[in-house]
Amino acid sequence: DAGVIQSPRHEVTEMGQEVTLRCKPISGHDYLFWYRQTMMRGLELLIYFNNNVPIDDSGMPEDRFSAKMPNASFSTLKIQPSEPRDSAVYFCASSYYRSGNEQFFGPGTRLTVL
Amino acid sequence: KQEVTQIPAALSVPEGENLVLNCSFTDSAIYNLQWFRQDPGKGLTSLLLIQSSQREQTSGRLNASLDKSSGRSTLYIAASQPGDSATYLCALRALGNEKLTFGTGTRLTIIP
Repeated sequence: DAGVIQSPRHEVTEMGQEVTLRCKPISGHDYLFWYRQTMMRGLELLIYFNNNVPIDDSGMPEDRFSAKMPNASFSTLKIQPSEPRDSAVYFCASSYYRSGNEQFFGPGTRLTVL
Repeated sequence: KQEVTQIPAALSVPEGENLVLNCSFTDSAIYNLQWFRQDPGKGLTSLLLIQSSQREQTSGRLNASLDKSSGRSTLYIAASQPGDSATYLCALRALGNEKLTFGTGTRLTIIP
């Protein structure tokens, strides 16, 4: 398996623009997680899905952030409008409950909002 | 609220030595604990997963232990190599919850 795939790997945008981050989980995994990592706050869980259904979005910082999972092999995290404080590395991870829900992370998307 | 602490924040060790990384947590009602490594500019790589009913897990030169009663986990690395240099993170999953609570990490440097 190719592991969790994220795109783009790097994104530079200007304040106010819409940003869409993409994730393809490991085939067969039934959980998908979106995290954000910054130097100040470390790793934070934003939202997670089970069988394509959002279960807990309490970590989403504000209404500018939204996430969708239209099918088992694709998820998006959208920021609209983006702000400089959104600059961070965004990780997607997936897991399978039968394997104890060990989480496997993608390589991340480094977002810079100017 | 679960708090996860990793001390020290940074550690330098000569190549070939055995070493132990520490992870402390405040709430023992955990489902499992996972150790990760993160290389600079990279994602997290899962190293070991310990279920709450287990005391330890081993993979190659790595051994992770779990003591819920004392709120501690350790990651033992035998015969350290320069390639082991990375940041090591522990993360706990609470009972009835899929969320992982991450520690602050220990940045390990193996000196050739």
